[in-house]
Amino acid sequence: DAKTTQPNSMESNEEEPVHLPCNHSTISGTDYIHWYRQLPSQGPEYVIHGLTSNVNNRMASLAIAEDRKSSTLILHRATLRDAAVYYCILRDASNTGKLIFGQGTTLQVKP
Amino acid sequence: EAQVTQNPRYLITVTGKKLTVTCSQNMNHEYMSWYRQDPGLGLRQIYYSMNVEVTDKGDVPEGYKVSRKEKRNFPLILESPSPNQTSLYFCASSPQGRSNQPQHFGDGTRLSIL
Repeated sequence: DAKTTQPNSMESNEEEPVHLPCNHSTISGTDYIHWYRQLPSQGPEYVIHGLTSNVNNRMASLAIAEDRKSSTLILHRATLRDAAVYYCILRDASNTGKLIFGQGTTLQVKP
Repeated sequence: EAQVTQNPRYLITVTGKKLTVTCSQNMNHEYMSWYRQDPGLGLRQIYYSMNVEVTDKGDVPEGYKVSRKEKRNFPLILESPSPNQTSLYFCASSPQGRSNQPQHFGDGTRLSIL
């Protein structure tokens, strides 16, 4: 399975945009890039995913580099509720459906 | 509301006393999975099921059993729990488990085995 690298922690101010980076230099052509987050005392929550093109949904945007070796999750206006651990995960075409969670990035949002 | 429901949310029990953690989803998903989360080790897959009566081992299946008799339910069974199974457990589901499909997680079950 291809590996991802994320910073251990980041800080943001409330109502400012947040850019969470992820490196995945060994990504293969069929790997999807997924982002999940885990709020304290809750299960992981799906945020967004993409393959090659940038993606937007109601929660966030995903910007994927042209060579696909890195991606950035963008929260347009951070709120206190966005404080969580954010995981960047590569999903390959294997049949197990397994998500491989790394250590993720702990996002702290300051009022 | 679409959801994955786990029960119980918390359980303290003793070594060797069989227990079952239930997981139910209301989204008609074919794929279901169990993970455990431990400090420093992240989430690791225990078992998964691609559909009714189809189950397979994940990365850490030792000491666990599962069954999938109905599409909506995927119970995790610890026949003889041991202290090293003290952990936070999550159930997840997705339509078919494909790489372009999101997974939905339950809120977790915290097990303490004394």
